[in-house]
Amino acid sequence: KNQVEQSPQSLIILEGKNCTLQCNYTVSPFSNLRWYKQDTGRGPVSLTIMTFSENTKSNGRYTATLDADTKQSSLHITASQLSDSASYICVVSGGLTTDSWGKLQFGAGTQVVVTP
Amino acid sequence: DTGVSQDPRHKITKRGQNVTFRCDPISEHNRLYWYRQTLGQGPEFLTYFQNEAQLEKSRLLSDRFSAERPKGSFSTLEIQRTEQGDSAMYLCASSLQLNEKLFFGSGTQLSVL
Repeated sequence: KNQVEQSPQSLIILEGKNCTLQCNYTVSPFSNLRWYKQDTGRGPVSLTIMTFSENTKSNGRYTATLDADTKQSSLHITASQLSDSASYICVVSGGLTTDSWGKLQFGAGTQVVVTP
Repeated sequence: DTGVSQDPRHKITKRGQNVTFRCDPISEHNRLYWYRQTLGQGPEFLTYFQNEAQLEKSRLLSDRFSAERPKGSFSTLEIQRTEQGDSAMYLCASSLQLNEKLFFGSGTQLSVL
């Protein structure tokens, strides 16, 4: 079973509207949570990285939240633009060892389509 | 362009053939990662290098797969005797330090006919 679950699987929104994507994880112990944006046919691009002590982090019109107690994160897109059409992937880094990279767990992504 | 570059962008091959992909990481990054991604899924970890040392391989990396990073700079991923199930996007990423964000290349899309 995947340790990182994202919802919805896909969504369609009108240009200018807001939307929120969800990420639930079971990875434990926890190191950090990342959101990536992946355009079709391209590699993922980092949006935010949050550690255990961070509740929210913004990157332009993208705002990520983290509740480490309930193991939930959300990515909010404000005033969506056509260029926001992409897959948004939640990635959780586990472990408290010095080399926790290897425990990166990827969600399947939420496909967002912004229509004019 | 100083990002991660991968070559080729696309590769079509017949089942049973060998293929090799190349990744050039960001020059000062000593950590390099290979991932595989199929449609509608997130990337799956294949292997990881710190400098020239291959430190970990996923069990997804069967004995038909081999990766090298001979001088701690670029890396190659070779798949021998390709199978249709190998069809996927192969992504390379690099990072400078542990737990820092990964910078991904645009990937190599492999299609095995």
